[in-house]
Amino acid sequence: ETGVTQTPRHLVMGMTNKKSLKCEQHLGHNAMYWYKQSAKKPLELMFVYNFKEQTENNSVPSRFSPECPNSSHLFLHLHTLQPEDSALYLCASMLEASAGSGNTIYFGEGSWLTVV
Amino acid sequence: AQTVTQSQPEMSVQEAETVTLSCTYDTSESDYYLFWYKQPPSRQMILVIRQEAYKQQNATENRFSVNFQKAAKSFSLKISDSQLGDAAMYFCAYRSTNFGNEKLTFGTGTRLTIIP
Repeated sequence: ETGVTQTPRHLVMGMTNKKSLKCEQHLGHNAMYWYKQSAKKPLELMFVYNFKEQTENNSVPSRFSPECPNSSHLFLHLHTLQPEDSALYLCASMLEASAGSGNTIYFGEGSWLTVV
Repeated sequence: AQTVTQSQPEMSVQEAETVTLSCTYDTSESDYYLFWYKQPPSRQMILVIRQEAYKQQNATENRFSVNFQKAAKSFSLKISDSQLGDAAMYFCAYRSTNFGNEKLTFGTGTRLTIIP
């Protein structure tokens, strides 16, 4: 248990569906991240939020829509996805105390997404 | 942009023996952090060990140690007395010290198999 909880753990959705992934951290962190992990590829950073504000969008298609209502919660809204979007989506968080603080990024267990 | 390369897609080692996983990276920064993460079948990314680039001393965590060669931009992980529970994917990761750029850049991973 690392304090970063992701739900659902598994999700199967059709290309026309709308669904959401949820991430919650209980660590008092103020930075949250979405990563995508596909087979045989490095983990890809998707979005970064610091103090609820999006600070990075790594050229992610608009069919992925993040939402960060507060520093403890992060959502990834999914709509009209493609089969190639099937992957493990990992949420992570960190305490951004100061520049170069070296704090550790903690990960959740991931949400397996299958688009059919 | 920083890149991380893990040239060994798969490695295996006899239980109780020692194994070394390789990682090289490319950066123009002089100060940064390097990490090894472990991802077991549960898919949760677990921090194994971290190294601050300004420190010459190699980091050690129980059976895990690194060989950090800054000039060569090399960061290998040595696992001593390998145990069955060490079987997992191992990812090398880089992180800048620049405030607001604390995202992790990952390699493609090395799958480690422990032979009983």
